Amino acid sequence: GAVVSQHPSWVICKSGTSVKIECRSLDFQATTMFWYRQFPKQSLMLMATSNEGSKATYEQGVEKDKFLINHASLTLSTLTVTSAHPEDSSFYICSAETGYGYGYTFGSGTRLTVV
Amino acid sequence: KQEVTQIPAALSVPEGENLVLNCSFTDSAIYNLQWFRQDPGKGLTSLLLIQSSQREQTSGRLNASLDKSSGRSTLYIAASQPGDSATYLCAVRWQAGTALIFGKGTTLSVSS
Repeated sequence: GAVVSQHPSWVICKSGTSVKIECRSLDFQATTMFWYRQFPKQSLMLMATSNEGSKATYEQGVEKDKFLINHASLTLSTLTVTSAHPEDSSFYICSAETGYGYGYTFGSGTRLTVV
Repeated sequence: KQEVTQIPAALSVPEGENLVLNCSFTDSAIYNLQWFRQDPGKGLTSLLLIQSSQREQTSGRLNASLDKSSGRSTLYIAASQPGDSATYLCAVRWQAGTALIFGKGTTLSVSS
């Protein structure tokens, strides 16, 4: 089946540094990828929609200058958390549509801890 | 505003019981609905996808139904097992190409 590979699976970084998270579609082309964030015991909240070759669309309340999204190819989208702070500690996960009728598949997620 | 609600938030049952998880959504004009499973600290596993034109989907011991007119979906789990313990998420897509909107999930615990 279609697979979205997400790396790293977990990362610990110091406050003020930047962290990049990658999502790759391994056996299909993903024109659009979605980025979600999940705080403990909460559901997944959509952060942004990433379209290949164009600027990402951010949800209300998500700082586009802090969460930089790049979708330079049909198989790779990246999320960079810039100047990370402890309140950015969360579970970040990406998803892509694999084709009509197959729904969305998700990456395995990245657990970010900012200390 | 398009929202997805799941009831109950948590459920504990003994092994072998049949159970039903509920999902409701505002705005019945959905594109499709997807049920996922999430284990603690892990990503999402897709369980069932129901297109707007379908009434139900089945996979093994799982059966998901969709009633668009009432804005509801149910996930039926037959003969529950301890390995079914996880959080079950209902997610709705209202238009082609748009993101899934998630409910807060039902955390299921099946005791042996």
